[in-house]
Amino acid sequence: NAGVTQTPKFQVLKTGQSMTLQCAQDMNHNSMYWYRQDPGMGLRLIYYSASEGTTDKGEVPNGYNVSRLNKREFSLRLESAAPSQTSVYFCASRDPGNEQFFGPGTRLTVL
Amino acid sequence: GQQLNQSPQSMFIQEGEDVSMNCTSSSIFNTWLWYKQDPGEGPVLLIALYKAGELTSNGRLTAQFGITRKDSFLNISASIPSDVGIYFCAGRVLAGGGADGLTFGKGTHLIIQP
Repeated sequence: NAGVTQTPKFQVLKTGQSMTLQCAQDMNHNSMYWYRQDPGMGLRLIYYSASEGTTDKGEVPNGYNVSRLNKREFSLRLESAAPSQTSVYFCASRDPGNEQFFGPGTRLTVL
Repeated sequence: GQQLNQSPQSMFIQEGEDVSMNCTSSSIFNTWLWYKQDPGEGPVLLIALYKAGELTSNGRLTAQFGITRKDSFLNISASIPSDVGIYFCAGRVLAGGGADGLTFGKGTHLIIQP
């Protein structure tokens, strides 16, 4: 099992460009999450999906959209990237009875 | 939104010493978690706490869920070099199977001097 995989690992964008961060899990978990981590900060929840077909806003959703493509995949889209979105993005998944399992992260720089 | 106040922000200790860190909140959480993050990696779960007053151990790590449900602490005994990293507390408002996300503290950066 690969657990939670994220692509790409690194990305540099120019202000105004768009991109999609991909996340996939092979643990058959129902719930999936996107967090961002800024220097000296803990992780902050952007969006989550309690189950396939549902998504909900977290603490910092502005500037992002998400798609729960199927049970395995949960993508995060930046339509018009801004320097304030420079961060490390983590995807996680879980089921009741276990806790959130995190991917390795995507390091995004917006110039 | 909810906030978790984690302290200390950083710790410089000698190998073999015991470590203690804690997290407090003005809000109630029904689940408290402790994660460790190594450089360039995602957080890894160390201990999960689900009941107020619960004390749980995982090897040299011990964590407690505060009676008021507004705090938690993590102790590491006899620290070793591989304990270096950033430790995060995290809380979830919904109990048990709730799918809501976690609120994280800002982390405690543990540095061990040989």
